Amino acid sequence: QKEVEQDPGPLSVPEGAIVSLNCTYSNSAFQYFMWYRQYSRKGPELLMYTYSSGNKEDGRFTAQVDKSSKYISLFIRDSQPSDSATYLCAMSGYGGETSGSRLTFGEGTQLTVNP
Amino acid sequence: DADVTQTPRNRITKTGKRIMLECSQTKGHDRMYWYRQDPGLGLQLIYYSFDVKDINKGEISDGYSVSRQAQAKFSLSLESAIPNQTALYFCATGSSGRDTQYFGPGTRLTVL
Repeated sequence: QKEVEQDPGPLSVPEGAIVSLNCTYSNSAFQYFMWYRQYSRKGPELLMYTYSSGNKEDGRFTAQVDKSSKYISLFIRDSQPSDSATYLCAMSGYGGETSGSRLTFGEGTQLTVNP
Repeated sequence: DADVTQTPRNRITKTGKRIMLECSQTKGHDRMYWYRQDPGLGLQLIYYSFDVKDINKGEISDGYSVSRQAQAKFSLSLESAIPNQTALYFCATGSSGRDTQYFGPGTRLTVL
């Protein structure tokens, strides 16, 4: 079983819809959670970074972490065609310390926002 | 200019050939990583380096080797390429004390 599970989709929504992307994980040591966005033929780019449980908002994007359920979400409000990309969740238990500065990634969810 | 660059961007080679993929960065980061990305498997860590004298194996290092020539340069070699090494390869950088990573544009490698 993978440490991080993410539905690969594809997910297709109309422009303006609210999008919910999710990951579940099994390792209770994970405390740092990230979302990356990857456009076709490009490298992943960091979108959101959160520590422990709670919400973080940045413009149309909200990242939510529920450590009790080992579940993280990314919400996109008022989705735009330019949001069409693959979204990867990533997580770490060490916050950059030498002994464990490694990220575990989900498989990625392919999102298409239709005009 | 891009902060993390990779060369070549595309490469087609034959089974048994030696291949080197290069990565350079201008972000001033001390940590560098090599990943491969395959459909259905996501990103898998091949090797990582926390400074010039520190090299560590990742999840899937067999068949690969690396060299950290300078803080800003990290190269990945396939000593004898095989078809199941056909994949997208990404270099990433990061800073000590932080676990966020920043990715290059990738190299698409095809081994025939």
